[in-house]
Amino acid sequence: NAGVTQTPKFQVLKTGQSMTLQCAQDMNHEYMSWYRQDPGMGLRLIHYSVGAGITDQGEVPNGYNVSRSTTEDFPLRLLSAAPSQTSVYFCASSYSRGANVEQYFGPGTRLTVT
Amino acid sequence: AQSVSQHNHHVILSEAASLELGCNYSYGGTVNLFWYVQYPGQHLQLLLKYFSGDPLVKGIKGFEAEFIKSKFSFNLRKPSVQWSDTAEYFCAVNARDDKIIFGKGTRLHILP
Repeated sequence: NAGVTQTPKFQVLKTGQSMTLQCAQDMNHEYMSWYRQDPGMGLRLIHYSVGAGITDQGEVPNGYNVSRSTTEDFPLRLLSAAPSQTSVYFCASSYSRGANVEQYFGPGTRLTVT
Repeated sequence: AQSVSQHNHHVILSEAASLELGCNYSYGGTVNLFWYVQYPGQHLQLLLKYFSGDPLVKGIKGFEAEFIKSKFSFNLRKPSVQWSDTAEYFCAVNARDDKIIFGKGTRLHILP
């Protein structure tokens, strides 16, 4: 199993540009989530999904959209990038429909918005 | 709303010293508790978790944590740290719903 994969590893955007961060897992996990990691702020939950077709907002959802059309994929979309979205983004998954089990994290995407 | 506090933002220890990292959460109901570790340049990995039963849980690499319900705490401990324990440590809480909330992290630096 490849586990949780994320692409790209690095990305630089200009303010106002849009892009999609890709996340895929091959473990047939029900639960997937997106976090951003900022210095001194820890990990903050952006959006999560408890299964295909179901998504919900986390702590910091503004400026981000998600969809979950398949069990495997959970892309994160930035519609109009802002410098405040400069961060490291982690995707995670777990086998349970709930969040009460171990999360498996991807390697992260480092995004810079200028 | 649930929240997690890690009081030590940066800890520096010498090798063989004992370690205790604090974690407190705010939620009155039943919780699941986790400690994750992020080694330099790597992604997060689970150190240990508590769901129910014995409040003293043991994890990988000699780490353990004790759940004290009356204090809303889940402190991480290791009797003798090694240089390879240099990493950032995150406490996380799930209030038996669909969200996991992480603390802000504690950077641990071990001097050889």
